[in-house]
Amino acid sequence: EDQVTQSPEALRLQEGESSSLNCSYTVSGLRGLFWYRQDPGKGPEFLFTLYSAGEEKEKERLKATLTKKESFLHITAPKPEDSATYLCAVQANSGGYQKVTFGTGTKLQVIP
Amino acid sequence: DADVTQTPRNRITKTGKRIMLECSQTKGHDRMYWYRQDPGLGLRLIYYSFDVKDINKGEISDGYSVSRQAQAKFSLSLESAIPNQTALYFCATSDSDTQYFGPGTRLTVL
Repeated sequence: EDQVTQSPEALRLQEGESSSLNCSYTVSGLRGLFWYRQDPGKGPEFLFTLYSAGEEKEKERLKATLTKKESFLHITAPKPEDSATYLCAVQANSGGYQKVTFGTGTKLQVIP
Repeated sequence: DADVTQTPRNRITKTGKRIMLECSQTKGHDRMYWYRQDPGLGLRLIYYSFDVKDINKGEISDGYSVSRQAQAKFSLSLESAIPNQTALYFCATSDSDTQYFGPGTRLTVL
């Protein structure tokens, strides 16, 4: 069974204090790994897709990396507006429907 | 305008009532999905549809049904709502891999 574990569950940072969020996964044939940002009461907002180990993607203060077992979302010099829950999901190569399994998220709070 | 819209955004209903949640998209995607989100649990797939004539059960389809009225519209129904169906419901669309989500419907069943 495909599994996605995100850590930590919650993270509190001072503005400017860089850190990383972890997404560990087990999947029977990885088709893609996704990162989303979710603000309270809103739908997940797509950030990145990673397809193979060694791949990296960047957007503003965020950088996502991928290995064969985990992905990291690095946040450099975060600002209060980066506060949100960050969701990781994996898509498996499994027959006709490439199932997507979501983690439970890391709730990030950035304090001014 | 938002690419994926959901109505209603909030709904409070009573046990046993029939409820329909609606989703519309302007992204032109063939694939549409319904998820529910509960505190402490990841998003869980209820139903998915790869085109108008293709509808499939997800991992938690019991107590739910869907209708794909057109490429752009996908509705979720709770035939007889029960309290443990209280949750946030999200519609999503995709072209192939990446899913794009609507703003969600907060449903409370009393």
